[in-house]
Amino acid sequence: KAGVTQTPRYLIKTRGQQVTLSCSPISGHRSVSWYQQTPGQGLQFLFEYFSETQRNKGNFPGRFSGRQFSNSRSEMNVSTLELGDSALYLCASSLVDTEAFFGQGTRLTVV
Amino acid sequence: AQTVTQSQPEMSVQEAETVTLSCTYDTSENNYYLFWYKQPPSRQMILVIRQEAYKQQNATENRFSVNFQKAAKSFSLKISDSQLGDTAMYFCAFLLGGVGTASKLTFGTGTRLQVTL
Repeated sequence: KAGVTQTPRYLIKTRGQQVTLSCSPISGHRSVSWYQQTPGQGLQFLFEYFSETQRNKGNFPGRFSGRQFSNSRSEMNVSTLELGDSALYLCASSLVDTEAFFGQGTRLTVV
Repeated sequence: AQTVTQSQPEMSVQEAETVTLSCTYDTSENNYYLFWYKQPPSRQMILVIRQEAYKQQNATENRFSVNFQKAAKSFSLKISDSQLGDTAMYFCAFLLGGVGTASKLTFGTGTRLQVTL
């Protein structure tokens, strides 16, 4: 059974650009959530999607957005990139509301 | 709001020995779940063990077990017979129970565990 797949694994972008990250959940999982991991702030919840609807949102500016497609795949978009957006972005999928399985993450570097 | 505290930034243990990682949390809720995740250098976040707050019995998964003290809001992880492959960052995490809370995990700052020969 395939796990959670995140693409790309690594990304380098310039300040001011925008970026889109992709996450394919485990087959049958309808919930996809996103986390940002940085050395300074640790792991922080960005948002969660369930059946194409955003169900929960963390405390991040509006530059961070996401969506979920009918096949449960999710994308996360960050517009007007800032140096502080450099981080490991982790995606997790869930079948039930009590367990999350993570992908390997996308390492975003903003220069 | 919930908070999770891991007071040990780094720990070291010799192979085959036992080590305990500490975690405390704060919540006013009664329905919640606690987790330990392992993040090796590959960056993949791997679920180690899960504890339901309504269960008094401590969870166990092979060499990993927890000591869940609900009144004290403490949730420590014990790793027995440590192996080199246990070297990783360990995160304690809290999840509020109930519909619509899936995957909104609150993480601690992590404990870096080094297993040595």
